[in-house]
Amino acid sequence: ELKVEQNPLFLSMQEGKNYTIYCNYSTTSDRLYWYRQDPGKSLESLFVLLSNGAVKQEGRLMASLDTKARLSTLHITAAVHDLSATYFCAVVPMRGDMRFGAGTRLTVKP
Amino acid sequence: SQTIHQWPATLVQPVGSPLSLECTVEGTSNPNLYWYRQAAGRGLQLLFYSVGIGQISSEVPQNLSASRPQDRQFILSSKKLLLSDSGFYLCAWSSWAAPYEQYFGPGTRLTVT
Repeated sequence: ELKVEQNPLFLSMQEGKNYTIYCNYSTTSDRLYWYRQDPGKSLESLFVLLSNGAVKQEGRLMASLDTKARLSTLHITAAVHDLSATYFCAVVPMRGDMRFGAGTRLTVKP
Repeated sequence: SQTIHQWPATLVQPVGSPLSLECTVEGTSNPNLYWYRQAAGRGLQLLFYSVGIGQISSEVPQNLSASRPQDRQFILSSKKLLLSDSGFYLCAWSSWAAPYEQYFGPGTRLTVT
């Protein structure tokens, strides 16, 4: 069964700092998604990564995928308060349904 | 453009009462439909998915059930709620052409008392 592990689960960082969230998964996959969830809200799609070496950037967020290492990263550059949210990665295995990580709750402090 | 609706947005129900949550999608045909549950501070758990009218697959055995009476309507039900059914219920859809790109509805927050 596919397991998706995110770390850290909780992240408190200062504005202006950089940090990386990691998403490891346990089985072969070439489809990985990153979502953002604001408190009490639904999920918003951030990135879709569909091949080994894929890199996508939007504003201060950059996501990458290494299918050989079964690892995706979400890098935050010069964090601002508006980035405070919970970030989920979700993996689609070669066989089976999408599985979500537990989420990383990010708090950016001034 | 496609939109997804869920209602109610918030629900407080006593233990043992029935449940019916509704999800509808506009602007697309024959979508794949999903029900997820998110417990407080936790990740998402896939409960049910459907690839067509009357076709329901269950991921986790529980006291919940799902139905798809129309192409763009997905209903989550229970005959008797448990305290452990409390959570944030999210409906999602994907197209048959891109089945793994899911779009989420606004969610229903259920509190069982």
